[in-house]
Order: sequence, then C-alpha cells, then structure tokens
Amino acid sequence: GNSVTQMEGPVTLSEEAFLTINCTYTATGYPSLFWYVQYPGEGLQLLLKATKADDKGSNKGFEATYRKETTSFHLEKGSVQVSDSAVYFCALTVNTGGFKTIFGAGTRLFVKA
Amino acid sequence: EAGVTQFPSHSVIEKGQTVTLRCDPISGHDNLYWYRRVMGKEIKFLLHFVKESKQDESGMPNNRFLAERTGGTYSTLKVQPAELEDSGVYFCASSQASPGGRNSEKLFFGSGTQLSVL
Repeated sequence: GNSVTQMEGPVTLSEEAFLTINCTYTATGYPSLFWYVQYPGEGLQLLLKATKADDKGSNKGFEATYRKETTSFHLEKGSVQVSDSAVYFCALTVNTGGFKTIFGAGTRLFVKA
Repeated sequence: EAGVTQFPSHSVIEKGQTVTLRCDPISGHDNLYWYRRVMGKEIKFLLHFVKESKQDESGMPNNRFLAERTGGTYSTLKVQPAELEDSGVYFCASSQASPGGRNSEKLFFGSGTQLSVL
C-alpha cells in the first residue's frame, strides 16, 4: 500500500540550530513527494516538493532530496528561526485512478529564542 | 485571489446530533478533497471530487458521512448522527485540473473545521 512515516515530535530546538525531520514512504508506482507546513491558526501550505528520484526541493532555507533507494524525503534546514515553529507534514501523491495525496502524522517543531 | 474557505471554524455538538461542514474551493479548481486529522495522528483522506462527481470516496469511514458538491462549486460534508470518534479537524483542499494528468499538483488547504462531539 501507500503510506508515509515521519518522526514523532515534538522537536524542540534553539534558534540557529540545525533541523532534520525524517520521512520515509512506501508507494506503488512513481509518487511525487511533498512537505507541507501548518502555522498556528492556519491551513496547511506547500513548503517544497520533488517529483522524481534525486530531485531536491527547496524553499525558505528548507531542503529535501527524493531518495528512491532509501525511500526517504528528509527535511533539513541549516539554521532555524523562531518563526519556523509549526507542524510539518510529509506527503506523497500517487495515481490511483485519480490523484490521491497521503500524509504522515506531522511533526511539531518548537524553536526557542 | 481568495483561498479555500471552510465554515464553521469550530463546532461543538452532542453525540447523536447532525453537523454540516462547508468548503468553498478556489474558483476554477476542479479537484476538491476532504481530509480528517484526529488528535496527533496522520491526516487521513476521506474523498475526492472532480467537479461534481465523486472520483474516490474510499476514505469515508461509514454511511453516517455524506459529502456533496452540487454544481461542482462548494462542497458540504454532513455527519449524521455524530459519534464521539468523529471528533477531529476536517480539512478541505482543492487543486487545479492537470492536463494529461500529473501527480505533482500542490493542494491548497482551508484552515479546517475543528469538530468536537461530546
């Protein structure tokens, strides 16, 4: 089946620390991979995406590389800010006769000043 | 451009009552999705509309849930009668049609409806 597993949170970091949130997936076919972010009081919004193996998605200092050999799409940022505090969701989209996006459980990130 | 809007933002009802959630997608988006997140768990797919047709309703938990999208614009999700386990955040998302079909289209989400069944 199709599924996404991401590391449990919460993750608490100090400002300027390095961030890694692990994400692995199982999928039939060739999925596109996404990271969505949900800031407090808002809906989810796309952070970055990658559509094929070895692609790197990047946005706002965040990066993730589509690793087919390890079925992973880990999210990284070199120096986090307080404003990065949010819930991060890893997701994949597959064609199951229509396009379905499947999400992980989300990882809450707290960044302390 | 207006985003995806959901109403109400919060709903507190008693077990056995009926609740109707509404979603207005971005104008021109043919694809409309409903998702649900129960406390701390993954966001689970409920169903997918393409215009007014149900493309995939494999995630609907049971026949107490009824989704409609008359005219292919806004959508409603009715829960009748509500049970305690229906509590959670219900998200609506929309996306544009993908010519030729692509799985790389991003979803635009509403802020969700927090449903509490007591």
